[in-house]
Amino acid sequence: EVQLVESGGGLVQPGGSLRLSCAASGFTVSSNYMSWVRQAPGKGLEWVSIIYSGGSTYHADSVKGRFTISRDNSKNTLFLQMSSLRAEDTAVYYCARVVISNTFGGLTYFDYWGQGTLVTVSS
Amino acid sequence: SSELTQDPAVSVALGQTVRITCQGDSLRNYYASWYQQKPGQAPVLVIYGTNKRPSGIPDRLSGSNSGNTASLTITGAQAEDEADYYCNSRDSSGYRWVFGGGTKLTVL
Repeated sequence: EVQLVESGGGLVQPGGSLRLSCAASGFTVSSNYMSWVRQAPGKGLEWVSIIYSGGSTYHADSVKGRFTISRDNSKNTLFLQMSSLRAEDTAVYYCARVVISNTFGGLTYFDYWGQGTLVTVSS
Repeated sequence: SSELTQDPAVSVALGQTVRITCQGDSLRNYYASWYQQKPGQAPVLVIYGTNKRPSGIPDRLSGSNSGNTASLTITGAQAEDEADYYCNSRDSSGYRWVFGGGTKLTVL
């Protein structure tokens, strides 16, 4: 059974740093595409970052240069290192597995999601 | 601002049919996927590849695509379909993803 369990959220001051973790089971993180998606309180979903199975990474403009997605293959775990945090980064952060079709490059979807971890940026 | 546009709210009478739409230029090149989110829960994939359903998703949910618009149709809406629905696709760069602003579905 596929499971994703996020951890590492909490209260952090503006300008601070935090590292989120997403422990995966039931599949191999390094063989898949993995992403972070966040949701500010009462707002919609916002895509944050993706790491390809080959290791390439991409980030939303809103977090580029401040957030870094990575993985630890030995621990089958995905990470999101967040720095220079701002109040507007306050959100529930979800990790998700992403399917990108090799046959149809235009076909992508987020098939499994964790339950999320709350990050609050406030003084 | 989101590159995928959804109506903020839609309502449907119990047992009737409702269509939720998602518009964006990227949909001309990339398939949309749809996610259902209920209060306090993580999103759940309900439609991908325009009209494919993951295991466990009822067949009253279906998807379609035309030009720059993707649609999620619920035929015979049930009370348990009341939720927020989000569309998603790659953006025009191909290296980032974007979600629509979400549609809150109320079943009357």
